[in-house]
Amino acid sequence: KAGVTQTPRYLIKTRGQQVTLSCSPISGHRSVSWYQQTPGQGLQFLFEYFSETQRNKGNFPGRFSGRQFSNSRSEMNVSTLELGDSALYLCASSLEGLRTDTQYFGPGTRLTVL
Amino acid sequence: GQNIDQPTEMTATEGAIVQINCTYQTSGFNGLFWYQQHAGEAPTFLSYNVLDGLEEKGRFSSFLSRSKGYSYLLLKELQMKDSASYLCAARTGRRALTFGSGTRLQVQP
Repeated sequence: KAGVTQTPRYLIKTRGQQVTLSCSPISGHRSVSWYQQTPGQGLQFLFEYFSETQRNKGNFPGRFSGRQFSNSRSEMNVSTLELGDSALYLCASSLEGLRTDTQYFGPGTRLTVL
Repeated sequence: GQNIDQPTEMTATEGAIVQINCTYQTSGFNGLFWYQQHAGEAPTFLSYNVLDGLEEKGRFSSFLSRSKGYSYLLLKELQMKDSASYLCAARTGRRALTFGSGTRLQVQP
């Protein structure tokens, strides 16, 4: 079974631009979570989607948004990029997003904002 | 709030045993995960504890004490490929994972 895939793997943008990242979960997984990883803050939870609905949200500004499609694929968007948005963005999928479900991570998208 | 602490760095010798500790203070605790992350790669799942006690999986074992807010990951027969960051993550009532900053383990010959 294929793992979680994310595209693109690397991205360079400039301040003020917007960016869209894509995540395809493991087949059969319906929950998709997004995380931001930086050297200073570690892994921080952005949001979780299940059945095309945002079910859970972390403490990030409204510039960060996402959505999920009927095939469970998910996208996240960051508008008005800031230098501090440079990070590795990781997507993780799980079966139902239940408390006992294990999350499996994709390889990440490394975003650099210049 | 949510708080998870783990040592920043550890060094151990090939063939030895190392224990990586993690303490947590979270609301609505629903289990403790350990992930391994090699540089430039995604975290990979190692173990999950929701009840007190030891879970053994090959060379890796994980322990949880809910009353003490404490967990550890035990790595036996260390290999050079075990050099990586080890992330402790607590699942809260809202299903999100709160991660510690990670422990960078360096295995030396």
